[in-house]
Amino acid sequence: EAQVTQNPRYLITVTGKKLTVTCSQNMNHEYMSWYRQDPGLGLRQIYYSMNVEVTDKGDVPEGYKVSRKEKRNFPLILESPSPNQTSLYFCASSFRWRNTEAFFGQGTRLTVV
Amino acid sequence: QQQVKQSPQSLIVQKGGISIINCAYENTAFDYFPWYQQFPGKGPALLIAIRPDVSEKKEGRFTISFNKSAKQFSLHIMDSQPGDSATYFCAANGQAGTALIFGKGTTLSVSS
Repeated sequence: EAQVTQNPRYLITVTGKKLTVTCSQNMNHEYMSWYRQDPGLGLRQIYYSMNVEVTDKGDVPEGYKVSRKEKRNFPLILESPSPNQTSLYFCASSFRWRNTEAFFGQGTRLTVV
Repeated sequence: QQQVKQSPQSLIVQKGGISIINCAYENTAFDYFPWYQQFPGKGPALLIAIRPDVSEKKEGRFTISFNKSAKQFSLHIMDSQPGDSATYFCAANGQAGTALIFGKGTTLSVSS
């Protein structure tokens, strides 16, 4: 089954404790991205990757890091989480970056206390 | 220039009615306009998409109307059903690798 898998689905952590949210896709997609969803603000892109070893900042990259060492995986790293990073996070992938369907994961609800 | 403005923020429609959600954009370089549907606890999923060379696209009860000169597009849900209750996002293709620029979403509730 074609899918984007995120883990964990739910995470509660404390300020400053490094964490990683994993994302994996099985569709051989070149393009992957991370979004955060906040009430009233919609979906905002954090980082994206056009292909292996090619990543760039989206609209709200502060406080986040990513890496793309393999085509299928695109982890999101919060090295020192803060309460303002409490949000619902989605990983997405698509065949290419424009004019194609984006497939989203199930989401990761992160709470930073 | 990179924004997509979506309205209304929330919408309540009776079963069998027509739901209409509107979006507007500024950047004339946008050339792909999808709508995504999101149910609670799920990720967004593509519902329907249109390119600016056509003025309307219909898939079942869902229709996108596109007005290139006004830089506006809208989603019409005919014969709305309780199962259509979800959050709807319009989007437009961004530039320079940023893929999709999303509107802020519309929460639709269809009452039975």
